[in-house]
Amino acid sequence: AQKITQTQPGMFVQEKEAVTLDCTYDTSDQSYGLFWYKQPSSGEMIFLIYQGSYDEQNATEGRYSLNFQKARKSANLVISASQLGDSAMYFCAMREGRAAGNKLTFGGGTRVLVKP
Amino acid sequence: GAVVSQHPSRVICKSGTSVKIECRSLDFQATTMFWYRQFPKQSLMLMATSNEGSKATYEQGVEKDKFLINHASLTLSTLTVTSAHPEDSSFYICSAQDRGRLTYEQYFGPGTRLTVT
Repeated sequence: AQKITQTQPGMFVQEKEAVTLDCTYDTSDQSYGLFWYKQPSSGEMIFLIYQGSYDEQNATEGRYSLNFQKARKSANLVISASQLGDSAMYFCAMREGRAAGNKLTFGGGTRVLVKP
Repeated sequence: GAVVSQHPSRVICKSGTSVKIECRSLDFQATTMFWYRQFPKQSLMLMATSNEGSKATYEQGVEKDKFLINHASLTLSTLTVTSAHPEDSSFYICSAQDRGRLTYEQYFGPGTRLTVT
């Protein structure tokens, strides 16, 4: 079974609007971390936001917020007030417990294209 | 912020030759570095975990003898693709884990695009 699932291969969003990128995960660990990364066409991976499994509050970083629903095992990324520079691939990733060596498992990614 | 560099950014080599890619953490110490491979329009696939001063741990299906990893210091890990073939052409990305951060956040290098002709 896929550990990280991103069901939206691609999305269009109008500039200045908000967009939600879906991510569901599967783990039996109690301690884990969820990450979102942005990959523009240049290829670099840019860290956006982190949510720990024990964090009670949803993480926020500027225009990025993470809608963490632990019981549903989902960690959706919300980008508010989209900008043209937000056009990129977005990857959800999970770090499982220490026994897994802090490895990151990535989802398949969602390509976002912001329209002017 | 934490910066990871990779060198070279692009390399073209002939089939049968070896290529070395360097990954450096510039402003933090990284006891653990990771090497990923990314094919066009696909996600990142972890190849191996590199720990300073010890042997790398390879993921299932990754050939250890083909992808040699050395992590000689707290700021440098190298990936050598030996006897490269066209099917090894890919985007290789390293990441480094900041030992000083509790979130185990990984900082990624800019990637190396390898083309084997």
